[in-house]
Amino acid sequence: EAGVTQFPSHSVIEKGQTVTLRCDPISGHDNLYWYRRVMGKEIKFLLHFVKESKQDESGMPNNRFLAERTGGTYSTLKVQPAELEDSGVYFCASSQGSSGRIGNEQFFGPGTRLTVL
Amino acid sequence: GQNIDQPTEMTATEGAIVQINCTYQTSGFNGLFWYQQHAGEAPTFLSYNVLDGLEEKGRFSSFLSRSKGYSYLLLKELQMKDSASYLCAPPGAGNNRKLIWGLGTSLAVNP
Repeated sequence: EAGVTQFPSHSVIEKGQTVTLRCDPISGHDNLYWYRRVMGKEIKFLLHFVKESKQDESGMPNNRFLAERTGGTYSTLKVQPAELEDSGVYFCASSQGSSGRIGNEQFFGPGTRLTVL
Repeated sequence: GQNIDQPTEMTATEGAIVQINCTYQTSGFNGLFWYQQHAGEAPTFLSYNVLDGLEEKGRFSSFLSRSKGYSYLLLKELQMKDSASYLCAPPGAGNNRKLIWGLGTSLAVNP
């Protein structure tokens, strides 16, 4: 079974440019999460999809970040325009889940390392 | 609020046993996960505790005390490849189950 995949693995862009990150979750996983780790800081939650619906986007830093999950399969995270402080590693994770269950293991992708110059 | 406290760094010797402690405060309780993260890689799942007590899983075991907000990860027969960061992560309150992270414990295993 394929794991969570993310593309690209690395991205270097200039301030003001746009970048789109992609995450393909494990097939059949309804839950998809985006996290970010800025150097020296802890991993921070960005948002959570259940299928194609945004369940929780309380961690999104500002309106320069836009996440979508059309059709409830892969997800994209767009940063427009990128700022220096957006640099970090963006992780995507997916899990199975159904109403009432607890303890859903989240499987992580390898991450996208974003550098904004 | 949500707060997680782990030692920043630990050092141990190959073949030894090490215990990594974690104290946490969360607004709700949906269990507690332990993840391992090698430098430059994604976190990988190690264990999950939802009830008090010890869960054993090969060389790794995890303990939880919900009343004390305390957990530990026990690593036995340490190997060089166990050098990594170890993160305890309680899910947030509600059905979201987004993981709440601390900075983790960086473990160095020496020969």
